[in-house]
Amino acid sequence: AQSVAQPEDQVNVAEGNPLTVKCTYSVSGNPYLFWYVQYPNRGLQFLLKYITGDNLVKGSYGFEAEFNKSQTSFHLKKPSALVSDSALYFCAVREFHSSASKIIFGSGTRLSIRP
Amino acid sequence: EAGVTQFPSHSVIEKGQTVTLRCDPISGHDNLYWYRRVMGKEIKFLLHFVKESKQDESGMPNNRFLAERTGGTYSTLKVQPAELEDSGVYFCASSPSGEQVFRPLHFGNGTRLTVT
Repeated sequence: AQSVAQPEDQVNVAEGNPLTVKCTYSVSGNPYLFWYVQYPNRGLQFLLKYITGDNLVKGSYGFEAEFNKSQTSFHLKKPSALVSDSALYFCAVREFHSSASKIIFGSGTRLSIRP
Repeated sequence: EAGVTQFPSHSVIEKGQTVTLRCDPISGHDNLYWYRRVMGKEIKFLLHFVKESKQDESGMPNNRFLAERTGGTYSTLKVQPAELEDSGVYFCASSPSGEQVFRPLHFGNGTRLTVT
């Protein structure tokens, strides 16, 4: 069964420092990977996706993620954190060549950026 | 374009009562999904509509949950009778048809359901 793991419930970073939010996945076949962000009292917003091609994908708000097939990881990164990046981040996977239509989400990581 | 809208934003009901959640997807989006997040846990898939048909309802917890999408537009999710463990945030999402695996989902703001 496909699954996504976000090993950190919370990540704390000082403003201006680089940040990493970790995600590992388990699928059969080729993975389709996504990151979403949720601000308070709002729905999830799409940040970026990996479908194929370059392992480093760039997304909204200066975020990027690195796909690593050997480590089955898709960590979210940003070179310089902003206080406004504080939110809940979800990694998600959708399996290719699967008859299932669902996207599987991780449990979320709360990112807190201190001034 | 208008986003995915969900109603109500909050609902507090007593155990044993009935609640109906509504989702209006983005106009023209054939795919409609329901998800649920229980406090602090992962966002769990409930079901997927393609137009008015249920494509996958493998995530529906039990027969107390009934989802409909008459006419392939808005959808409702009814919980009857509600139990304490049904509390959580219910999200609706939609996406257009075609190249489905490549397309991200557009989410509503969710309905926070509290069963007391």
